[in-house]
Amino acid sequence: GQQVMQIPQYQHVQEGEDFTTYCNSSTTLSNIQWYKQRPGGHPVFLIQLVKSGEVKKQKRLTFQFGEAKKNSSLHITATQTTDVGTYFCSNAGGTSYGKLTFGQGTILTVHP
Amino acid sequence: NAGVTQTPKFQVLKTGQSMTLQCAQDMNHEYMSWYRQDPGMGLRLIHYSVGAGITDQGEVPNGYNVSRSTTEDFPLRLLSAAPSQTSVYFCATTRTLSSGANVLTFGAGSRLTVL
Repeated sequence: GQQVMQIPQYQHVQEGEDFTTYCNSSTTLSNIQWYKQRPGGHPVFLIQLVKSGEVKKQKRLTFQFGEAKKNSSLHITATQTTDVGTYFCSNAGGTSYGKLTFGQGTILTVHP
Repeated sequence: NAGVTQTPKFQVLKTGQSMTLQCAQDMNHEYMSWYRQDPGMGLRLIHYSVGAGITDQGEVPNGYNVSRSTTEDFPLRLLSAAPSQTSVYFCATTRTLSSGANVLTFGAGSRLTVL
């Protein structure tokens, strides 16, 4: 997969505030996957975006894929303490075997 | 159905020692992979396998060996441990969703410290 850069590396928010993490690539991506890793846990698949301009929602989470398919974002509305963890974006390139390239991850801390 | 099982969960090694991280899956998935996770660097692919008897290198393969004699097992061997190999190691299998997406299912991880 192509290299993806993720920002910010850390984000501290008060419970109830919104949160956004961004994933950027210098080249066009075939798809974007998002994973969440709870503290001390393992990454868990959240969603995949494939189409230009695609927007998908999972409860308070909104995932977007840019029109040029070079960037993506994950937005959480009204964060809760259960949202803490590290959020990774990843790209599988053009292969069909899930050989993923991961961004550096954004570590989210939610203060009650 | 245990999914992806990794052992050991924790290990401390001295520089130069060798060891094997075990990974087993009961989902009959063909594709398996090993990643290492380091602070600020995300997850980096070490080695992967598309089926029994077939393995290939990922982004950071140096210092590691793998083999895939069965569909179920994919051990990762550290030949001569170095402090730079201190990391959390994740084994994963790939499953295909009804949407066609190929997604990773990770094991719980193995935390390795090399002194």
